Amino acid sequence: EPEVTQTPSHQVTQMGQEVILRCVPISNHLYFYWYRQILGQKVEFLVSFYNNEISEKSEIFDDQFSVERPDGSNFTLKIRSTKLEDSAMYFCASRPGHPSLAENYEQYFGPGTRLTVT
Amino acid sequence: TQLLEQSPQFLSIQEGENLTVYCNSSSVFSSLQWYRQEPGEGPVLLVTVVTGGEVKKLKRLTFQFGDARKDSSLHITAAQPGDTGLYLCAGAINAGNMLTFGGGTRLMVKP
Repeated sequence: EPEVTQTPSHQVTQMGQEVILRCVPISNHLYFYWYRQILGQKVEFLVSFYNNEISEKSEIFDDQFSVERPDGSNFTLKIRSTKLEDSAMYFCASRPGHPSLAENYEQYFGPGTRLTVT
Repeated sequence: TQLLEQSPQFLSIQEGENLTVYCNSSSVFSSLQWYRQEPGEGPVLLVTVVTGGEVKKLKRLTFQFGDARKDSSLHITAAQPGDTGLYLCAGAINAGNMLTFGGGTRLMVKP
């Protein structure tokens, strides 16, 4: 069964360093998302991406964050200068854009990247 | 800002018991998803409901979307230890929109 994959599974970085988190969405999906989950807290939306541009972003997604789809398969999240409070699990999700009503809403999540900023 | 409140936050029951988890909001959602999340892993989609009053069944799990599309429930019949985990509800205002997640219900089913 197709699934969203993410690399690396765990990233440790020093404060102020740049990190790039990578995702390969399900191959025929059209909509892509990044969420994060700070330990013990809710899953929070960061950004959505469709047709090679950002379609929606949250207040968390400030100028330090950017997303890119550099080729036909990868979807990346870059944090330019990491802060301690960026430590979290980062989840990529994708959605098919299926014409069926229910399936059109279904977002499939990857296993996550645990980012630890020291 | 849409908020989804889940209750209870924690639930510990014996194998064979029934349970219901609730997901409530003051906002109207176009869809409501239920996910299950294991520690250190991503949420795994269980079901999507989109029509007010809709009921979907997945083996021993029954999901219902409220008539006004502001609330949902997950009912598990004859719970088993394998049902242990974190259950999350998440709503979307429109198909293209972000998901707003509830805080989750951590279920433990003891043998």
